[in-house]
Amino acid sequence: NAGVMQNPRHLVRRRGQEARLRCSPMKGHSHVYWYRQLPEEGLKFMVYLQKENIIDESGMPKERFSAEFPKEGPSILRIQQVVRGDSAAYFCASSPRGAYGYTFGSGTRLTVV
Amino acid sequence: DQQVKQNSPSLSVQEGRISILNCDYTNSMFDYFLWYKKYPAEGPTFLISISSIKDKNEDGRFTVFLNKSAKHLSLHIVPSQPGDSAVYFCAASASTGNTGKLIFGQGTTLQVKP
Repeated sequence: NAGVMQNPRHLVRRRGQEARLRCSPMKGHSHVYWYRQLPEEGLKFMVYLQKENIIDESGMPKERFSAEFPKEGPSILRIQQVVRGDSAAYFCASSPRGAYGYTFGSGTRLTVV
Repeated sequence: DQQVKQNSPSLSVQEGRISILNCDYTNSMFDYFLWYKKYPAEGPTFLISISSIKDKNEDGRFTVFLNKSAKHLSLHIVPSQPGDSAVYFCAASASTGNTGKLIFGQGTTLQVKP
């Protein structure tokens, strides 16, 4: 079991471009969480998804951000028209059920230039 | 609105001594608390947790204490080892209607000196 896999590890985008962050949960896990860590801050919850469903998106910015977890394939966090303030580390976590003991991936570090 | 606060950005201790990391919270609905450890360029790793029905939970060198009246919890590491040097995050959640979402503190960087 390779754990929670996130790719790419590092992503550089110019202002106005789109960023796509991928997360493959652990085998057998059907619950995925996305968190964002801004520099010098703790992790902030963004969204919780189960296969084909968004369960809680209370932490997602209202514009430009979207997430999906299709029946097949990884979960995708999509940021349209990136701005410098989107530069952060984005962590995905997975769980076999909606519970707290979930496993985090190593993160994607997004840099907007 | 910072519901979970770790007021000490950093802590330095000598190898073999006790490390005490502190965390305060404001939301009285929180009833489950966790500590995560994070190395640079890696994701957080779960360390230990405690439910609000307890005031102490121990796992090897790690003990978490919960003081509900003070809305305060602490993580004790004894004896501290150089490999414990990392950022430690406190996290909290409210089980009522919750979906597993965690509220994290800002983190405390622990340095254990040999």
